[in-house]
Amino acid sequence: GAVVSQHPSWVICKSGTSVKIECRSLDFQATTMFWYRQFPKQSLMLMATSNEGSKATYEQGVEKDKFLINHASLTLSTLTVTSAHPEDSSFYICSASEMKNTEAFFGQGTRLTVV
Amino acid sequence: AQKITQTQPGMFVQEKEAVTLDCTYDTSDQSYGLFWYKQPSSGEMIFLIYQGSYDEQNATEGRYSLNFQKARKSANLVISASQLGDSAMYFCAMREGEWGAQKLVFGQGTRLTINP
Repeated sequence: GAVVSQHPSWVICKSGTSVKIECRSLDFQATTMFWYRQFPKQSLMLMATSNEGSKATYEQGVEKDKFLINHASLTLSTLTVTSAHPEDSSFYICSASEMKNTEAFFGQGTRLTVV
Repeated sequence: AQKITQTQPGMFVQEKEAVTLDCTYDTSDQSYGLFWYKQPSSGEMIFLIYQGSYDEQNATEGRYSLNFQKARKSANLVISASQLGDSAMYFCAMREGEWGAQKLVFGQGTRLTINP
């Protein structure tokens, strides 16, 4: 199956700093990628849809100025958590799919801890 | 309103037994897709099986099968001959609309524990 690579797998940062997470489709082009957040013992919640060459679409309640998404190429989307705070500590995971496939492939996820 | 409901927070099953994980969904779309993913403690999401709303036959993938009952809006996952490595969180998810836009809505998940 297709491979989606996410980096870093974990990161610890100080409160107030920004963190960038990368999501790459390694063997296919993805015009659309999705960013999810998962708090401990909870399900995945969609944060935003990343569209190549255009602005991301954010779900209700997700601050677009805090979670900056850039999808500059067909194989790379980045999520930047700006001015991170402890409540942003979570597991962030991206997914991507080829247009005509029926399954979404997920990256390995990034565990963010803000101290 | 909850679109995907998994009513079993936890399941405990003896090794080699079959197990059914429940999933019900709610949608007014005619075209939709249903997925099951496995999430081990490492956090990665492992795709298990897919069922399209127009598929007449239940999907099967090795030891996994999906019991699709469209009228009841249920899509239960059946794992045959469970193994210790099957212990993980299992999520049911739904895509609404035509494929190509893989935005998924997830259920709350079921933690499956396989006992030796």
